[in-house]
Amino acid sequence: DAMVIQNPRYQVTQFGKPVTLSCSQTLNHNVMYWYQQKSSQAPKLLFHYYDKDFNNEADTPDNFQSRRPNTSFCFLDIRSPGLGDAAMYLCATSVSVLGGYTFGSGTRLTVV
Amino acid sequence: AQRVTQPEKLLSVFKGAPVELKCNYSYSGSPELFWYVQYSRQRLQLLLRHISRESIKGFTADLNKGETSFHLKKPFAQEEDSAMYYCALMDSNYQLIWGAGTKLIIKP
Repeated sequence: DAMVIQNPRYQVTQFGKPVTLSCSQTLNHNVMYWYQQKSSQAPKLLFHYYDKDFNNEADTPDNFQSRRPNTSFCFLDIRSPGLGDAAMYLCATSVSVLGGYTFGSGTRLTVV
Repeated sequence: AQRVTQPEKLLSVFKGAPVELKCNYSYSGSPELFWYVQYSRQRLQLLLRHISRESIKGFTADLNKGETSFHLKKPFAQEEDSAMYYCALMDSNYQLIWGAGTKLIIKP
């Protein structure tokens, strides 16, 4: 009964080849987040949506883009992955900006 | 500056012993604090939040504004408590500021 689903679980992409990670939710939460988590580090917020309002963190590289076509789905596009982009990418949702987060299982991205 | 500090990267205790995972914060307003847990090969999940004042899986955390701390405690550790624990603070923009995490290992 997974409520925040990320696909794929593992993604291997070539250096410079665009890649898209997906997240879907069955919770009907208004807020969706994308985090990057590198080994032994805390998650780092890339961006979030409050409904359709997109909020980009100031230090998120331009290489990272996001789309939220509807309440249930959110995508992370990496236009030209570099070796430094290899990480676990976490999607999370929240019923409101004040709520606790529900995380997906993450997508582990490898760049070769 | 808004900041969350978890001073211990690794904490190892024996099964049955008390556990305290430290979290200190720096925040000018009234803080809203959370503990998240990540078990091996599982998703990151909310363990508890200070506003709820609840006990989850035997863990409690009390906000101490004088010491600016939100330490996570459990009187008797169990092996299944082994995990990565993150303390997080919600800032004025409703974003989570994360601590670096503490890896808890419970020895049999």
